[in-house]
Amino acid sequence: EAAVTQSPRNKVTVTGGNVTLSCRQTNSHNYMYWYRQDTGHGLRLIHYSYGAGNLQIGDVPDGYKATRTTQEDFFLLLELASPSQTSLYFCASSDARENNQAPLFGEGTRLSVL
Amino acid sequence: GDSVTQTEGQVALSEEDFLTIHCNYSASGYPALFWYVQYPGEGPQFLFRASRDKEKGSSRGFEATYNKEATSFHLQKASVQESDSAVYYCAWRTGGYKVVFGSGTRLLVSP
Repeated sequence: EAAVTQSPRNKVTVTGGNVTLSCRQTNSHNYMYWYRQDTGHGLRLIHYSYGAGNLQIGDVPDGYKATRTTQEDFFLLLELASPSQTSLYFCASSDARENNQAPLFGEGTRLSVL
Repeated sequence: GDSVTQTEGQVALSEEDFLTIHCNYSASGYPALFWYVQYPGEGPQFLFRASRDKEKGSSRGFEATYNKEATSFHLQKASVQESDSAVYYCAWRTGGYKVVFGSGTRLLVSP
């Protein structure tokens, strides 16, 4: 069964802290995405990737780095976390080989920056 | 720039009412269009898609028709149920596989 797994599910850090959010998909999908979800803004795209070693800039990339180490794994890095990055983060994946396939989402990681 | 606009932040209905949630997009060419639903504590779930003008997508009684002239993909359901209460997202995908979502519409259905 297709799956996208995010870890941790919840994370609390302090301002200036270093945080890594992990995402693994076991679907053999080419594309992976990181979004943040905030009330009134919906889902906003941070970064995305079409394969290991590739990174594409999304719409709200400031303060975030990302790295796609393998086909399965996509990481979101906050090197100097700020309270404005308190949010619910979602990872998603999709298969470029299937025409117009919609991204499949994980369960989310809730991040609080104090 | 590229965007998706959902004009209703929240819609409150009674069971068996007719639902319309408006979605307009700004994108070049023929983007693929999607509707997602999100329940509390879960990630967004794909409902259906359409990829060409006048194509209708549907699932679980919900439907929407791709209207390139109006740049719209409005979600409709003839008779809502309390279990339809959730947040609904419109989205599009470009040929470059960037996927952009709207701000979401919260649907509240009372019995």
